[in-house]
Amino acid sequence: DVKVTQSSRYLVKRTGEKVFLECVQDMDHENMFWYRQDPGLGLRLIYFSYDVKMKEKGDIPEGYSVSREKKERFSLILESASTNQTSMYLCASSPTARTDTQYFGPGTRLTVL
Amino acid sequence: EDKVVQSPLSLVVHEGDTVTLNCSYEVTNFRSLLWYKQEKKAPTFLFMLTSSGIEKKSGRLSSILDKKELFSILNITATQTGDSAIYLCAAFQGAQKLVFGQGTRLTINP
Repeated sequence: DVKVTQSSRYLVKRTGEKVFLECVQDMDHENMFWYRQDPGLGLRLIYFSYDVKMKEKGDIPEGYSVSREKKERFSLILESASTNQTSMYLCASSPTARTDTQYFGPGTRLTVL
Repeated sequence: EDKVVQSPLSLVVHEGDTVTLNCSYEVTNFRSLLWYKQEKKAPTFLFMLTSSGIEKKSGRLSSILDKKELFSILNITATQTGDSAIYLCAAFQGAQKLVFGQGTRLTINP
């Protein structure tokens, strides 16, 4: 079974703090994705990566950056957290660029006060 | 602009009812349509549809795609309380990314 894990289920941070969200997959997948999920808006793609050290902007990259130093790990960074970044963050992975199905982690619910 | 629209956004039915969830899409270089079920945590994969008119079935769930009219439906028959969840529809497009709809929150009352 594919396993995608995220470092925290719940996180509370203060405005202006630097926040790191970690995602790890154990199936040697090439592609990894970060989404945020908000009521009424569905999942929106923040960043994705097709390979180590590669990254592509998604639909809403502003205020975020990412890092992929190892194939199995994809980090989402909020350089200076703001209250409008309070959300559920979901990480996903897929085997290759030719694979449509993505496998999701359990999510991190981030609250920025 | 690529978009996926689901309807209804919320649905409450009684156990045993049959429900139909709708998904329409407009994406560049469409490749496939995916359905996911999300309970309290990670969305779990249900179906991937690439061809029009071919029904995919898994137990009480089934789905079909119409590439001419650009929509898909997800049917659930003889609903159970365990079917309560958010159902997500997503279209895979040419830039190799999924575009998600808003989700339909389905509640099954006993």
